[in-house]
Amino acid sequence: SQQGEEDPQALSIQEGENATMNCSYKTSINNLQWYRQNSGRGLVHLILIRSNEREKHSGRLRVTLDTSKKSSSLLITASRAADTASYFCATVIVYNNNDMRFGAGTRLTVKP
Amino acid sequence: DGGITQSPKYLFRKEGQNVTLSCEQNLNHDAMYWYRQDPGQGLRLIYYSQIVNDFQKGDIAEGYSVSREKKESFPLTVTSAQKNPTAFYLCASSMGLAGQETQYFGPGTRLLVL
Repeated sequence: SQQGEEDPQALSIQEGENATMNCSYKTSINNLQWYRQNSGRGLVHLILIRSNEREKHSGRLRVTLDTSKKSSSLLITASRAADTASYFCATVIVYNNNDMRFGAGTRLTVKP
Repeated sequence: DGGITQSPKYLFRKEGQNVTLSCEQNLNHDAMYWYRQDPGQGLRLIYYSQIVNDFQKGDIAEGYSVSREKKESFPLTVTSAQKNPTAFYLCASSMGLAGQETQYFGPGTRLLVL
């Protein structure tokens, strides 16, 4: 069963705008990871945020984690057409560090 | 796609046939994973292996089998017992536990039923 759920399912923006994607999960986690997938390809790891962290940055990416609300957000600033992809959050539940659950993803389209 | 290769890129299966998907990594990672992805959905864990000669069932192991005879290789067999095998299959590896380490994914194999 899926643990995380991304919102929105699809997002379309213009180049240069910011894109925000949200992830909600159900049970206590050790950490949460965000991945990106270009159409028909494998996933690429973006950021890992641990349960005791609230915010993390990597280049144009900013991830927040609110464990009280069981939610996370991924912000991509100054988006580019090359950011067009699907973005997935993945959570690892507390009692099994190998059981990583992925959401259904947010499909981001950045128009040039 | 890191140092993980998957072959073939496309695979066709006839009714009642077993097929094997290959996954090889040269990253010296201990852990390897197989996921299934259906259209518009996230990944679901089929099997994982933390060390050679050991593997564990994931969420949807029925109809699948794996082996881990070498550190670099983790082949997945889709058996005839898997009634709905059409999907995109992704292999991944990590240095340690999935939850603690970055997972590196292969390019995937798309399996189609004839």
